[in-house]
Amino acid sequence: TQLLEQSPQFLSIQEGENLTVYCNSSSVFSSLQWYRQEPGEGPVLLVTVVTGGEVKKLKRLTFQFGDARKDSSLHITAAQPGDTGLYLCAGMGRDDKIIFGKGTRLHILP
Amino acid sequence: EPEVTQTPSHQVTQMGQEVILRCVPISNHLYFYWYRQILGQKVEFLVSFYNNEISEKSEIFDDQFSVERPDGSNFTLKIRSTKLEDSAMYFCASRYDREVSYTFGSGTRLTVV
Repeated sequence: TQLLEQSPQFLSIQEGENLTVYCNSSSVFSSLQWYRQEPGEGPVLLVTVVTGGEVKKLKRLTFQFGDARKDSSLHITAAQPGDTGLYLCAGMGRDDKIIFGKGTRLHILP
Repeated sequence: EPEVTQTPSHQVTQMGQEVILRCVPISNHLYFYWYRQILGQKVEFLVSFYNNEISEKSEIFDDQFSVERPDGSNFTLKIRSTKLEDSAMYFCASRYDREVSYTFGSGTRLTVV
């Protein structure tokens, strides 16, 4: 069974601080995605990483795919209250289905 | 930007009743999916659908569940006899091909009482 473990589960930090969220697995994924989910809404795709070692930037968010394509990280620089939300990592597993992590609930204090 | 549309946004049903959750995928997409998320838990795969048939289903997707694409636009999930534990957010997703990312709908919150 392919599993994705996210850490931390919860993170509360002050506005302006930096943070990193991790997504780890013992399985190799063909691609890995990061989503943001608001309460009562569906996951909204932030980024897809495909190549081992790949780094993608989305404004203050930096996403990295591990060299072995088993793990990924999301780094936020100078966090803002608008970054508050649930961040999900998801791997494209075997047989065309997405395996989701449990998510990291991020709260940025003004 | 094209969207995946789900209706209703919230459905309350009596245990044992049948429910049909509806989805309108993006019009030129070929692959369709249902996922669910029980409150406080992770999003779980239910079923994938391509070329008018199920291509993959999880162990959750038992005989009480069925999917259909009755016309060129709708993609439905039917739960034949709902149980309390079926209460969850159900998300529909679609994509054009297997090389691109999914687009998720906003979900239907199903509450079984």
